[in-house]
Amino acid sequence: DTGVSQDPRHKITKRGQNVTFRCDPISEHNRLYWYRQTLGQGPEFLTYFQNEAQLEKSRLLSDRFSAERPKGSFSTLEIQRTEQGDSAMYLCATGTSILRDTQYFGPGTRLTVL
Amino acid sequence: QQQVKQSPQSLIVQKGGISIINCAYENTAFDYFPWYQQFPGKGPALLIAIRPDVSEKKEGRFTISFNKSAKQFSLHIMDSQPGDSATYFCAASMYGGSNYKLTFGKGTLLTVNP
Repeated sequence: DTGVSQDPRHKITKRGQNVTFRCDPISEHNRLYWYRQTLGQGPEFLTYFQNEAQLEKSRLLSDRFSAERPKGSFSTLEIQRTEQGDSAMYLCATGTSILRDTQYFGPGTRLTVL
Repeated sequence: QQQVKQSPQSLIVQKGGISIINCAYENTAFDYFPWYQQFPGKGPALLIAIRPDVSEKKEGRFTISFNKSAKQFSLHIMDSQPGDSATYFCAASMYGGSNYKLTFGKGTLLTVNP
């Protein structure tokens, strides 16, 4: 257990519904990343926050995806009008500015879109 | 364009044997190379990492060998144990815009037979 928590751990939804995931970082970790992992693949970068500022978004993050990190603490990732292709594991990772490179991953949220 | 290529896709070794997983990268701006271990249903866990100023790093049974000129690095697991059975991912990141987002390989499924 890295100390990064994600909720829910599993989400099953029907196509067209909206879903929201939450990530709680390790205390005082100011860097927060979202990645997406599909079956048999490595995680792919989606977006990055430093404190409350969203500093980078991948082209994988379509306009149906939005992420927030109010007050620089927990973060949420929302997917609107879900599609079957959104089915994946959504991973949150956090880090500090002191150990710039090191990222600690949460357990992930497994999304299944029917 | 796959920036980090990992091989083999799967690997079977006997207990006590040496497991070797290889990765090659294309972007010479990468300056941090971690390996992650992932068990089914869990998030990736940082195993060991190296920077290009050293050619080898050892932590317990795990060793990273790094060849900057060939743009290759590998993970060696000595005295492999059944508990090491997991998926291993190599990754790379660079200091660009204070981001440090990770680019992952596709993973290697390691099975250690008792």
